[in-house]
Amino acid sequence: NAGVTQTPKFQVLKTGQSMTLQCAQDMNHNSMYWYRQDPGMGLRLIYYSASEGTTDKGEVPNGYNVSRLNKREFSLRLESAAPSQTSVYFCASSDGPGVTGELFFGEGSRLTVL
Amino acid sequence: QKEVEQNSGPLSVPEGAIASLNCTYSDRGSQSFFWYRQYSGKSPELIMSIYSNGDKEDGRFTAQLNKASQYVSLLIRDSQPSDSATYLCAVGPRRGGYQKVTFGIGTKLQVIP
Repeated sequence: NAGVTQTPKFQVLKTGQSMTLQCAQDMNHNSMYWYRQDPGMGLRLIYYSASEGTTDKGEVPNGYNVSRLNKREFSLRLESAAPSQTSVYFCASSDGPGVTGELFFGEGSRLTVL
Repeated sequence: QKEVEQNSGPLSVPEGAIASLNCTYSDRGSQSFFWYRQYSGKSPELIMSIYSNGDKEDGRFTAQLNKASQYVSLLIRDSQPSDSATYLCAVGPRRGGYQKVTFGIGTKLQVIP
């Protein structure tokens, strides 16, 4: 099983450019999440989707949008990239409810904004 | 005040020793607690979850929870060089509740051969 698959793995953008990070899971999980990880800051939740058709903001949603395309797919869009969005982005999924903290992570997407 | 606090380390232990990793949290309503392991350049991987006060053992790993003290720890017995990684503590709400967990910054563990 592939688990959680993210694309792309690496991306370099110029300030103001837009891009979409794609995420798909094949575990039939209900909940999906987008986190960013920065040195000294830990993992911070950007957006999450508790079930197909719903999305909610996390701790750091500014500058991002998400789409829960179907039960398998959850995308993260940067409309106008800024250097502060340079980070490693992780998509995760969980069965939920009842196992909400038991997350399965994708391999990560390393984004650099110049 | 950070919601989940961990010492960033590095914590260095000799091979075969017990590594003790600690975490405190601020929200007394927290009901679910997790330890993730993250190798350098890789994604986090869940290694332990604990929901009740006391100890939970899984192989060489033991998670300890004390809700009164708002403290959770991870013990790794017979530490191996392959255990060298960053260990993330995560704290969440009651089962079935608002589906969000908060992560600490992680403690880097180095096991010296």
